[in-house]
Amino acid sequence: DAGVTQSPTHLIKTRGQQVTLRCSPKSGHDTVSWYQQALGQGPQFIFQYYEEEERQRGNFPDRFSGHQFPNYSSELNVNALLLGDSALYLCAVPGTSGSNEQFFGPGTRLTVL
Amino acid sequence: GNSVTQMEGPVTLSEEAFLTINCTYTATGYPSLFWYVQYPGEGLQLLLKATKADDKGSNKGFEATYRKETTSFHLEKGSVQVSDSAVYFCALRDGGSNYKLTFGKGTLLTVNP
Repeated sequence: DAGVTQSPTHLIKTRGQQVTLRCSPKSGHDTVSWYQQALGQGPQFIFQYYEEEERQRGNFPDRFSGHQFPNYSSELNVNALLLGDSALYLCAVPGTSGSNEQFFGPGTRLTVL
Repeated sequence: GNSVTQMEGPVTLSEEAFLTINCTYTATGYPSLFWYVQYPGEGLQLLLKATKADDKGSNKGFEATYRKETTSFHLEKGSVQVSDSAVYFCALRDGGSNYKLTFGKGTLLTVNP
């Protein structure tokens, strides 16, 4: 059990709409990372939040934004959806203190029509 | 920048066959290396890891050795089972990336009885 829940499980939107995805780490996980996994591809890093601030960002446009709350849960927002945004969106948290692995949630499958 | 290259799939084997999935990487510094597995319809699970040269990661009969001289981290298993059918991803985290992972494109493994 990675200790991460994501919601919703599946989501269907149309082009131009906006979407918000949610990630809830178990207590103690203060760093949250978001990844996009397109069909047939490996996950790509979107950004990472720590202490409610974006600390690192991958090669994604400003349409992708995020937020981290005081309880360490996080949201990923995508504006002006494109067909190419259809993907599995994964949230990840680090392992135990001193380890360097990431543990992933089950993901949210976003379909843009 | 960092990159991970995996052998193209799909790979189809019979039960009890030997498995090798090749992975090579390009990174600055001294990365940590990982194999993740994704079963159908599920999120990513950490399979094994290695954090320095010549380390061998192992789990569930799978092994991979961190070879700095060849920048490789090939995944092996001596006898695969039908239940090993999944997509396997090689990934790296470089020393200064603060948990960001760079993934390969994944290799689909199908094991037939």
